[in-house]
Amino acid sequence: AQRVTQPEKLLSVFKGAPVELKCNYSYSGSPELFWYVQYSRQRLQLLLRHISRESIKGFTADLNKGETSFHLKKPFAQEEDSAMYYCALTGSARQLTFGSGTQLTVLP
Amino acid sequence: KAGVTQTPRYLIKTRGQQVTLSCSPISGHRSVSWYQQTPGQGLQFLFEYFSETQRNKGNFPGRFSGRQFSNSRSEMNVSTLELGDSALYLCASSEGVPGANVLTFGAGSRLTVL
Repeated sequence: AQRVTQPEKLLSVFKGAPVELKCNYSYSGSPELFWYVQYSRQRLQLLLRHISRESIKGFTADLNKGETSFHLKKPFAQEEDSAMYYCALTGSARQLTFGSGTQLTVLP
Repeated sequence: KAGVTQTPRYLIKTRGQQVTLSCSPISGHRSVSWYQQTPGQGLQFLFEYFSETQRNKGNFPGRFSGRQFSNSRSEMNVSTLELGDSALYLCASSEGVPGANVLTFGAGSRLTVL
């Protein structure tokens, strides 16, 4: 079975501070991992995927297979980053499984 | 390109009734997935359709069903509604098989069961 764990339901940081949203996964094979984001009153949308190795809106995420983690990081948080962030995984069954989400609040 | 369209956006039903929700994917997308979103359980996978075939099903009772039409539009149905079925139901489409491609989500259908 595949599982995604986001240990923090809520996370608050001050503007300009670094932010890290944690994601751990359980999957025996080679997963594909994603971060999705939902801004207030907007649709859930893809932020980034690990195979793209991109930096989107200053966010990066590195897949650590040894620690089975895919933490999302940004060196300097902005108020507009406040949103709900979901880590997601897909395996060989091609079923996308989401974590429970982390509500990030960036304080002024 | 028009986005993923879900109808109705809001609806109120009473226990025991049934409901049908509709999803029109992005033009050219053949895969449609459905998720239930609640504050307590987060995003839970319901089922996924590709080329009119159900490929995957989540851990929901048989009261939850769905189908996909030849034009890729999809419907989901919930029969004998229970209070716990109150949720935001999200539909997402992708060009190919979900998981291998990026999901584009609709705005959702918010169901309230009284």
